[in-house]
Amino acid sequence: IAGITQAPTSQILAAGRRMTLRCTQDMRHNAMYWYRQDLGLGLRLIHYSNTAGTTGKGEVPDGYSVSRANTDDFPLTLASAVPSQTSVYFCASSGSSGSLDEQFFGPGTRLTVL
Amino acid sequence: GQNIDQPTEMTATEGAIVQINCTYQTSGFNGLFWYQQHAGEAPTFLSYNVLDGLEEKGRFSSFLSRSIGYSYLLLKELQMKDSASYLCAVADSNYQLIWGAGTKLIIKP
Repeated sequence: IAGITQAPTSQILAAGRRMTLRCTQDMRHNAMYWYRQDLGLGLRLIHYSNTAGTTGKGEVPDGYSVSRANTDDFPLTLASAVPSQTSVYFCASSGSSGSLDEQFFGPGTRLTVL
Repeated sequence: GQNIDQPTEMTATEGAIVQINCTYQTSGFNGLFWYQQHAGEAPTFLSYNVLDGLEEKGRFSSFLSRSIGYSYLLLKELQMKDSASYLCAVADSNYQLIWGAGTKLIIKP
């Protein structure tokens, strides 16, 4: 692995189903983030983690949960998907918390909820 | 509320210069970032400004004026590969990034 990876690349999901988006980084970065990107809107922060074992809520956390059991992995779970969660999801990481370091982004997951 | 404004779309000619403006109103300020995002790809970092003035990096420069909540990204000697969206983001008082919707730059030969 080089950098930050996400899986799956894309997914079509029935409303009401549970879904986990995976994110893994090999840069030993402390901070990790989940964003969603919708047409005409800026990236919006869903959840973040400043270091392993801690998580925090971003701008649009409702309907999503995260965990940070170790430094490398930061999965995002949709407990019961709804059509409004159709979006492109980006995971990112940075060397330190505080968002003053450059953020490195994964390739994204395109999720469609029907 | 917090707000980042940038033009939705701009068109420029190959070889020319283009300036993309960004104005912001945020609760606190801990720096301003510019990212480039090609269609269907992830954003990649271009620049970071925390003090007033101009930061130059090759063909790209970024300017910041904190007193008026204003930044611009200047791209010189435009190349076709510069066709992309350019995202302005501000780190607020909680060090969270607030993102603009992005400016789609179209380069014509």
